[in-house]
Amino acid sequence: LAKTTQPISMDSYEGQEVNITCSHNNIATNDYITWYQQFPSQGPRFIIQGYKTKVTNEVASLFIPADRKSSTLSLPRVSLSDTAVYYCLVGSSLWGTDKLIFGTGTRLQVFP
Amino acid sequence: NAGVTQTPKFQVLKTGQSMTLQCAQDMNHEYMSWYRQDPGMGLRLIHYSVGAGITDQGEVPNGYNVSRSTTEDFPLRLLSAAPSQTSVYFCASSSTSGGADTGELFFGEGSRLTVL
Repeated sequence: LAKTTQPISMDSYEGQEVNITCSHNNIATNDYITWYQQFPSQGPRFIIQGYKTKVTNEVASLFIPADRKSSTLSLPRVSLSDTAVYYCLVGSSLWGTDKLIFGTGTRLQVFP
Repeated sequence: NAGVTQTPKFQVLKTGQSMTLQCAQDMNHEYMSWYRQDPGMGLRLIHYSVGAGITDQGEVPNGYNVSRSTTEDFPLRLLSAAPSQTSVYFCASSSTSGGADTGELFFGEGSRLTVL
């Protein structure tokens, strides 16, 4: 099982770019990296997923170096509504990873 | 499209009582799982299932039972509730079929359980 390590918390201001890094040193060959966002009193929701290099969608970018032992979620120009907890998850039910274990997550606080 | 539906949303139990948290999904997902989340903490995996008739333990299975008789439903049973089981419980499902699917987890809205 690939264990993940993230910073416990981060602060930012509106309009800034935020980068949250996740370490996953024992990631397996078939493992995908997925990031989730969770607001209070809600279940986590999918943000972005990648396997290697860079992936971008309408809300975030995901950077994965060649060794895949870490990944960085980049949120461009954050707003107050981006205040949430962000989790990286390594593994996927698609490829036989059945124990999908979350780390402690990163609590992002965005200030005006 | 309902996604993942959990019932009840709120429940108060006394120590020693039993109850079942219901989870149903309408996406034909083979994979389903239960997590608990304590205040200010992350998600911890209780049990999971990769298909009907197949279940296995997660990180914190003690005090909980599950079964998977259909693809759609994955109930979580507390046989004798304890105050330590006060938590918010999330059910999640995902595809195992590949293709265009990412295998992302779809979560329910959560069930808040208080054990007195």
